[in-house]
Amino acid sequence: EAGVVQSPRYKIIEKKQPVAFWCNPISGHNTLYWYRQNLGQGPELLIRYENEEAVDDSQLPKDRFSAERLKGVDSTLKIQPAELGDSAVYLCASSFSAGGTWANEKLFFGSGTQLSVL
Amino acid sequence: AQTVTQSQPEMSVQEAETVTLSCTYDTSESDYYLFWYKQPPSRQMILVIRQEAYKQQNATENRFSVNFQKAAKSFSLKISDSQLGDAAMYFCAYTSNTGKLIFGQGTTLQVKP
Repeated sequence: EAGVVQSPRYKIIEKKQPVAFWCNPISGHNTLYWYRQNLGQGPELLIRYENEEAVDDSQLPKDRFSAERLKGVDSTLKIQPAELGDSAVYLCASSFSAGGTWANEKLFFGSGTQLSVL
Repeated sequence: AQTVTQSQPEMSVQEAETVTLSCTYDTSESDYYLFWYKQPPSRQMILVIRQEAYKQQNATENRFSVNFQKAAKSFSLKISDSQLGDAAMYFCAYTSNTGKLIFGQGTTLQVKP
């Protein structure tokens, strides 16, 4: 079974440029997460989707970040324009949540996209 | 607000020896899960072990075990018979029914041959 697939693995851009990250979750997983991990720190949640609906985007900087999960499968996270402080690893994770269970019981993570903004 | 604290930025252990990584957390919830994740240089977070708060028995997965002290809000990870492949960054994490997974700052584990 394929795991969570993310691309690209690395991205180097100049500040003020746009950038996009793509995530394909594990087949059948209805919940998808985007996390940002700064160097030497733990991941922090940016946005959580249940199917197509963003159910928690309270930590997403909406002035420059946007995300979508069309058809409740793949997801794209975009930054426009990128700033120096956006340099980090962006991790995608997925899980299956049935009624009455917690989505976080078992998360599967991708290998992330390492973004460097120059 | 819930927080997770790992006070050991770096730890090292000799191969085949035992090491314990510390984690404390703060919450007012009574029902929650705690996790230890391993992140090797490949960056992919791998679940090592998890503990349901309502279970008094400490979780064990092969060479990995936890010491869960609910009253003290402490959740340490013990790695027995350490192997070179255990070298990685380890994150303690917490979740409740809010659906949010909160990570600690991480502990880098070095395994010496």
